[in-house]
Amino acid sequence: DAGVTQSPTHLIKTRGQQVTLRCSPKSGHDTVSWYQQALGQGPQFIFQYYEEEERQRGNFPDRFSGHQFPNYSSELNVNALLLGDSALYLCASSLVGVETQYFGPGTRLLVL
Amino acid sequence: DAKTTQPPSMDCAEGRAANLPCNHSTISGNEYVYWYRQIHSQGPQYIIHGLKNNETNEMASLIITEDRKSSTLILPHATLRDTAVYYCIVRNITQGGSEKLVFGKGMKLTVNP
Repeated sequence: DAGVTQSPTHLIKTRGQQVTLRCSPKSGHDTVSWYQQALGQGPQFIFQYYEEEERQRGNFPDRFSGHQFPNYSSELNVNALLLGDSALYLCASSLVGVETQYFGPGTRLLVL
Repeated sequence: DAKTTQPPSMDCAEGRAANLPCNHSTISGNEYVYWYRQIHSQGPQYIIHGLKNNETNEMASLIITEDRKSSTLILPHATLRDTAVYYCIVRNITQGGSEKLVFGKGMKLTVNP
């Protein structure tokens, strides 16, 4: 049973560029949440997708956007990258009605 | 803001039980207590959760006080691989949707040989 997978594992971008991160949920899960984890901090909630709609959103600017596909996989897009966007980006999946979130290994983004 | 308070760090000897405390004095009736851990540079790993009864699974036990204002995660026989940051999270789960996980700074558990 495959767990949550994320790609790529690492990424280096420069300021002003755009980035797309991908997530495949655990088999049987229908909800995907994204978190940002800066060095030395706990993960911070970005947004959550269910039935291809954004269901909740944290305190992140509109430069952060997402999408969920019919197969429940998801993308996180960040535009106009800033140095402060350097972080570990985590995807978590869950099943409506059960709700326990399971995390992927993350994508480490470095913005230069 | 996180609704829980944990000590910043704790040490434990390998093979001994590790008892990790968490205070959540403002918890409400429909909020669960969740525990996750994060080994360096990996994604958080779900451990256990509970509402008011004590819970046990293959990884750990969760003891919640009767007033629900605090809880303890117990790792019965700590190993070096249990060294990680442990997060105690209070989370509302309601019908039709679930609240996001709000992480604090967590507690660093170091298991020593």
